[in-house]
Amino acid sequence: AQKVTQAQTEISVVEKEDVTLDCVYETRDTTYYLFWYKQPPSGELVFLIRRNSFDEQNEISGRYSWNFQKSTSSFNFTITASQVVDSAVYFCALSGNNYGQNFVFGPGTRLSVLP
Amino acid sequence: DVKVTQSSRYLVKRTGEKVFLECVQDMDHENMFWYRQDPGLGLRLIYFSYDVKMKEKGDIPEGYSVSREKKERFSLILESASTNQTSMYLCASSLRGVGGNTEAFFGQGTRLTVV
Repeated sequence: AQKVTQAQTEISVVEKEDVTLDCVYETRDTTYYLFWYKQPPSGELVFLIRRNSFDEQNEISGRYSWNFQKSTSSFNFTITASQVVDSAVYFCALSGNNYGQNFVFGPGTRLSVLP
Repeated sequence: DVKVTQSSRYLVKRTGEKVFLECVQDMDHENMFWYRQDPGLGLRLIYFSYDVKMKEKGDIPEGYSVSREKKERFSLILESASTNQTSMYLCASSLRGVGGNTEAFFGQGTRLTVV
């Protein structure tokens, strides 16, 4: 069975601080895909990144960066110099490679960035 | 601009009513999903469909059914609404690519209240 754990329920930081959101996953698949989504107060989930299991290269996109470590089954997300607009619930998700596979989501981490 | 559209943003129904939640996507995606989101529980999969007339139970299918007669439309049906089905319902779709699922695109959500 597949499972995604986000141990941090809520995090509060002050603007300009760096913050890392943790994601740990479980799967028996050798090929799988990991995702991060952002859910701002408006409610609609916004896709941030997709990573496949064969690509352990870290990725940076502006203030966002992702650290994928297969050895520890983790896919952590760091926001550098956080801003108030980063306040949202962030979800990590996992999908397999087989026909008819769905997405398994973690419980989410609520990030509050205070001015 | 890609779109997943849910028929209602807010809905109030009475206990025992039959409720239809409609979702339409314009991206020609094979996969469609219905999730419910509750505080502290994240997104839980109710049903998903990877092709027309195909459906698979998710983690919490009890009290729900689905219909997918056309590729672009995926309906969630509450056969007899109960107060414990008060929740945010999220529809999503994704492409089933050669390399696994692409990211899921989400609708704006339907906040259902059963009184």
